[in-house]
Amino acid sequence: DSGVTQTPKHLITATGQRVTLRCSPRSGDLSVYWYQQSLDQGLQFLIQYYNGEERAKGNILERFSAQQFPDLHSELNLSSLELGDSALYFCASSVTLEGHEQYFGPGTRLTVT
Amino acid sequence: GQQLNQSPQSMFIQEGEDVSMNCTSSSIFNTWLWYKQDPGEGPVLLIALYKAGELTSNGRLTAQFGITRKDSFLNISASIPSDVGIYFCAGHRGYGGSQGNLIFGKGTKLSVKP
Repeated sequence: DSGVTQTPKHLITATGQRVTLRCSPRSGDLSVYWYQQSLDQGLQFLIQYYNGEERAKGNILERFSAQQFPDLHSELNLSSLELGDSALYFCASSVTLEGHEQYFGPGTRLTVT
Repeated sequence: GQQLNQSPQSMFIQEGEDVSMNCTSSSIFNTWLWYKQDPGEGPVLLIALYKAGELTSNGRLTAQFGITRKDSFLNISASIPSDVGIYFCAGHRGYGGSQGNLIFGKGTKLSVKP
């Protein structure tokens, strides 16, 4: 158990809908990262928050957004969902801003039908 | 997005065999990490390497940070059935925009020989 929690474990929704994925980092970790894992693209970095502020962006679509709250939990919002958004979404956390060692949660499997 | 070249893509192991896999990049990384992912789970950090030439062990696992900083190797000695899974290498450049985040290989899938 990495200490990173994610809910829900599974999510099935229809195209055009909006969903929110939630992540709680390990106790004491200030950085939260979101990654998308698909069969064809592998693990891809989406976005990083550190102590409530957005610090880095990867290949995140404009339809996706995230935030980190004062208690350090984070939410990833996915809107106008398309079939191609079906994937595993992982949250990771690290103590430092640089995030050399990142610890991953169990993931949320999103299926868009 | 950018990815690391990880090989082999898959391999079959027999209990007791040693296993080797590697990861290469056209760019330099400051940190190399190796993760293992089981079906339905998140990646688990196995080893982190911080210095070129560094050799680090974690039980039966040994990983090396290549001298050129563009590659890394993972060896598993005397494999056991619970070693099956997907192993990912990841590189970290250091802080600065998206460079502060992990770039992953596509994984090496370890399965048991039938």
